[in-house]
Amino acid sequence: DQQVKQNSPSLSVQEGRISILNCDYTNSMFDYFLWYKKYPAEGPTFLISISSIKDKNEDGRFTVFLNKSAKHLSLHIVPSQPGDSAVYFCAASDENSSNTGKLIFGQGTTLQVKP
Amino acid sequence: DADVTQTPRNRITKTGKRIMLECSQTKGHDRMYWYRQDPGLGLRLIYYSFDVKDINKGEISDGYSVSRQAQAKFSLSLESAIPNQTALYFCATSDSGWEETQYFGPGTRLLVL
Repeated sequence: DQQVKQNSPSLSVQEGRISILNCDYTNSMFDYFLWYKKYPAEGPTFLISISSIKDKNEDGRFTVFLNKSAKHLSLHIVPSQPGDSAVYFCAASDENSSNTGKLIFGQGTTLQVKP
Repeated sequence: DADVTQTPRNRITKTGKRIMLECSQTKGHDRMYWYRQDPGLGLRLIYYSFDVKDINKGEISDGYSVSRQAQAKFSLSLESAIPNQTALYFCATSDSGWEETQYFGPGTRLLVL
């Protein structure tokens, strides 16, 4: 059973506009969430994270929003740039797992930003 | 130089063959992980290690074994490869502690015929 789901396999956005990537989870014990970005032929790289005690975390053009009641988080990229074109993975951990570093990943969403 | 390296980067093997994927890191991290990525399934944890003497199974460890030869080296073995082990394999490292970021290697693309 997929505990972390990214239901949109792909997203296409025009340069300069906002990109919104969504992630849903089923385990209410998850308390830490991360987004990773992956370019072809490279490993995933950490992008941004959020703890369950917050509902928003911002880092430059990237903002992650967490809605615990809906078990939903989203990544906003504003403004989108062609270099943002990549696969984005949502990941989560719970208190029992985070001290082991165990993460549960979503399936990934491929973002294409068109010039 | 890359902090986390994986060898080989690509490998084709036949069913029943033994194969080893290697991972080395220069970040000085205690924790190391092996994941596989399959289309539509994201990354799934195979094994993880807290230190040289501490190795743990992840969610999909069947058919795999690992060896932590040193703090910097963590190898993944497929004792008898089968076609459904065809996937992209990633090694990752992290420091000890709460909510530490994981750093990934570039991946090994494995094809089992």
